[in-house]
Amino acid sequence: EDQVTQSPEALRLQEGESSSLNCSYTVSGLRGLFWYRQDPGKGPEFLFTLYSAGEEKEKERLKATLTKKESFLHITAPKPEDSATYLCAVQVRGAQKLVFGQGTRLTINP
Amino acid sequence: ETGVTQSPTHLIKTRGQQVTLRCSSQSGHNTVSWYQQALGQGPQFIFQYYREEENGRGNFPPRFSGLQFPNYSSELNVNALELDDSALYLCASSRDSPDTQYFGPGTRLTVL
Repeated sequence: EDQVTQSPEALRLQEGESSSLNCSYTVSGLRGLFWYRQDPGKGPEFLFTLYSAGEEKEKERLKATLTKKESFLHITAPKPEDSATYLCAVQVRGAQKLVFGQGTRLTINP
Repeated sequence: ETGVTQSPTHLIKTRGQQVTLRCSSQSGHNTVSWYQQALGQGPQFIFQYYREEENGRGNFPPRFSGLQFPNYSSELNVNALELDDSALYLCASSRDSPDTQYFGPGTRLTVL
């Protein structure tokens, strides 16, 4: 069965304190791995798609990386507005659905 | 370019009733997927519609059904509502299937 596990469940950082979020996956054949940001009560906002091991994508203070078993979302010098839940999802080859992890709730204190 | 929109924003129903949720896909997108998100959990795939045909279904009972219209907008219908159906219902559209999915703001359904 395809599975996605995110860690930690919650992370509290001080403004400017860099860290990484982890997404481990077990799938039969990966088509793509997706990162989304979700604010409370709102829909997920697309951040990145990664397709193959070794691939990296960057956007402002965020950088996503991919290996054959996991992905990391690195956040550099975060600001309070980066506080949100970050969701990781995988799409298996030949399937339509996204399989999501439970998310990491990130809080950045000023 | 208009993003994915959903209506209504919030809905309160009682157990046993039926509900219809609506989604307008992003311009140029022909695929719509529906997800259910319980509080504190990741979204769970309900089904996908591609060019007006169902194109994949998750582990949801038949009382969850849907439609896609020629303009690629979509409806999610849920019959015989149960308390556990209370959740945020998300619609996502993509340019094709498979492709990156862009989500709407969601409809918060509360079943009493």
